[in-house]
Parts: sequence; C-alpha cells; structure tokens
Amino acid sequence: GAVVSQHPSRVICKSGTSVKIECRSLDFQATTMFWYRQFPKQSLMLMATSNEGSKATYEQGVEKDKFLINHASLTLSTLTVTSAHPEDSSFYICSARDGGLAGEQFFGPGTRLTVL
Amino acid sequence: TQLLEQSPQFLSIQEGENLTVYCNSSSVFSSLQWYRQEPGEGPVLLVTVVTGGEVKKLKRLTFQFGDARKDSSLHITAAQPGDTGLYLCAGARGNKLVFGAGTILRVKS
Repeated sequence: GAVVSQHPSRVICKSGTSVKIECRSLDFQATTMFWYRQFPKQSLMLMATSNEGSKATYEQGVEKDKFLINHASLTLSTLTVTSAHPEDSSFYICSARDGGLAGEQFFGPGTRLTVL
Repeated sequence: TQLLEQSPQFLSIQEGENLTVYCNSSSVFSSLQWYRQEPGEGPVLLVTVVTGGEVKKLKRLTFQFGDARKDSSLHITAAQPGDTGLYLCAGARGNKLVFGAGTILRVKS
C-alpha cells in the first residue's frame, strides 16, 4: 500500500504556543488529504479536508482559525494548532487519498499532542 | 447520529475462538474499507470491498459487502493474540470516509 508519513510523532508544548504537524505522501501524489482527531479508544473524527492549491474544507464545529491547514504541494499538507490549550491535547492523524476508483485513504502514523 | 453502526464495541475472547464484527447503515456506500489500528499508530488498511455481495479473504479474515452495499462484516477464524487491536469500518461517500465507532478486540492467550 501507499505510504504516508507524519512528523513529529509526538510533541509536548506549553499552553499558548503553536504547533505544526506535517503530513507527506511518500510514493504517490495526493490532491486530497484529510486531518482527523482521535480520542482514546474512540473512532476517528474528521476535522477537515485539505485540497492542494485551495482552501481547506472544515467539518462543522471545527474552528478554522484554530486549526490552520495548508496543502502547498501534491505530497505535503500541514496542520497548525494555534494558541494550543490543554483541551487540544489529542492524537492527530492525517490521511492521503488514492486517486483510484475505490478512493482508498492511507493513514499516517499519527501525532500525539500534549499541551501543558 | 452515527451513519455507520459498528458492533460490538468491545470483544474479549480466548485464542482460537471465532468472531464477527458488523457494520450497518441505511445509506449506500460506493466502497467500504476495513482498517486495523494499534495504540499510538495510524490505521492500517486491511481490505476494500466495492461490489455488492463481494467476499474477500485475507488469511484468517473474511470480509463481506452486503448486496445493497449498505452493510459489511469482518469474520476472524481462530483468533490469535496478534489480532488484538481496534478494528474500524469506513464507508466511502464522495471523497470522504464515514467511520464506524470501532471495535476493540482483545484476544487472550
């Protein structure tokens, strides 16, 4: 399957700082990438759809000014958590969509964010 | 409202037992994917089913897609401790995936 990387794998930051998470598709081009948030022992919650060269589409209830998404190339999308607070602590996972008929999504390994 | 109902939520079984996980919806999906996720890692794609009535096998795992493409099941034969993890079904709608709530499987040796 296709490989998606995420960096960093874990980050600890102080409240009020901003954190950037990178998502890269390593062996295919992804015009669409997705950002999810996951709480312990729960399913994935879609935050936003990242489209290369255009603005991201955010799901209802997700603050676009809080979670900035940039999809500058066909292999890279970034999520910046601005002015992070302890309630933003979570596991953030990105995925990249295969352009084939089934439109499979391949997931990165996730980023554990802890805000102190 | 959960658009894709996944059951059971938790399953704890002994090594060697069989199990089935179900995903049901009132909506039609263009395809359905099953993922397995271990703690601290991203979901790993197990299989994609596309055609109504399709059955796919992956070693001890058997996946079925309902005839109407609204439901799917994952059957594991002779479960092993290595099968422990979170299993997620996800239906494709447009370019997005609708996820089930997940099934936490624990296989005890």
